[in-house]
Amino acid sequence: SQTIHQWPATLVQPVGSPLSLECTVEGTSNPNLYWYRQAAGRGLQLLFYSVGIGQISSEVPQNLSASRPQDRQFILSSKKLLLSDSGFYLCAWMRHTEAFFGQGTRLTVV
Amino acid sequence: KQEVTQIPAALSVPEGENLVLNCSFTDSAIYNLQWFRQDPGKGLTSLLLIQSSQREQTSGRLNASLDKSSGRSTLYIAASQPGDSATYLCAVLYNNNDMRFGAGTRLTVKP
Repeated sequence: SQTIHQWPATLVQPVGSPLSLECTVEGTSNPNLYWYRQAAGRGLQLLFYSVGIGQISSEVPQNLSASRPQDRQFILSSKKLLLSDSGFYLCAWMRHTEAFFGQGTRLTVV
Repeated sequence: KQEVTQIPAALSVPEGENLVLNCSFTDSAIYNLQWFRQDPGKGLTSLLLIQSSQREQTSGRLNASLDKSSGRSTLYIAASQPGDSATYLCAVLYNNNDMRFGAGTRLTVKP
């Protein structure tokens, strides 16, 4: 069966520090992968999606970047975090147009 | 602009009551619609997926309907239980591989 792993679960980082969140999918090949951010009390905002290795589409201009170094690995990064980067980050993959989500990372920038 | 709206934002009901959550979307050129459940501080759990050619899907006490022409979907929960308390999110997948979410309905079922 397919599973999606996302870590860490929680993270507290100072302003200006770098960020790296990792997401991996098991049990499938060539999945479409997604990074979403959920602000408190709001819906999910699509940040990046990828249909293959090295292929990244960005939805909104921001302080973040994404990379897909391997087929089932999706990484969300920042060189210098801002206070506004705080939020709940979710990774997802899609199978036959049905989306499945990881457990999320709660990022607090202080 | 592709927007997804969920009404109400919050709902509190007594245990055993049947309830309906609403989702509307502005662009009817959808590929499918998916309902999720989110517990506090957790990821999303898929509940039901309705393809654009379908009218409804059922899973246990849950029934989701889709009216693509009017841009609406409903999630019906029968005989609600305290364990159903969570935030329910509606997501619309558009043909361009773009999934848009509503802000969710926070449901509280009181014992």
